[in-house]
Amino acid sequence: DQQVKQNSPSLSVQEGRISILNCDYTNSMFDYFLWYKKYPAEGPTFLISISSIKDKNEDGRFTVFLNKSAKHLSLHIVPSQPGDSAVYFCAAKSRGGYNKLIFGAGTRLAVHP
Amino acid sequence: GAGVSQSPSNKVTEKGKDVELRCDPISGHTALYWYRQSLGQGLEFLIYFQGNSAPDKSGLPSDRFSAERTGGSVSTLTIQRTQQEDSAVYLCASSLGVPPLHFGNGTRLTVT
Repeated sequence: DQQVKQNSPSLSVQEGRISILNCDYTNSMFDYFLWYKKYPAEGPTFLISISSIKDKNEDGRFTVFLNKSAKHLSLHIVPSQPGDSAVYFCAAKSRGGYNKLIFGAGTRLAVHP
Repeated sequence: GAGVSQSPSNKVTEKGKDVELRCDPISGHTALYWYRQSLGQGLEFLIYFQGNSAPDKSGLPSDRFSAERTGGSVSTLTIQRTQQEDSAVYLCASSLGVPPLHFGNGTRLTVT
């Protein structure tokens, strides 16, 4: 049972436009969400996070939105740049003391000129 | 500052052999995690160490997999009697006890 789902395996966006990556979850115990970016042959790197008490967090070109009623979060990148081309993973942590993260399957973003 | 270091970066082994994968976490990080990523898949949780607490082994796929963390620092993931389905990138991460996790570049394991 996939608790964190990224239903789009890939996304192609033109440079300068907005990229929107989506993530759905099923576990209502999740209280913290993160986005990671991964280049080939490298480990995932942390991008941005959001607590379940918020509905938006912004850091430069990156904004994460959380809709708890829909159990949905999204990552917006604007403007998109070719260097943003990577695989993006959504991850979630459950309240209750354990700090392990459950990851989605990832979305491959391609930003083309 | 040094990040999470994993060795070897690549490992090719024959089916049935044992392998050991090593992880050096970021200095001072109390939590250490092992994940793996099979081809075309997401990150699958394997095991989590937090300080002196008993590790969370709930993600280990079989009893052929084990891990230890010595002195609260370096960790070794051991796979006994490797099978072809064990082929994957094994990722180690560390943290200050709470997210975010900081990942190493992984060990690519190929079982022939």
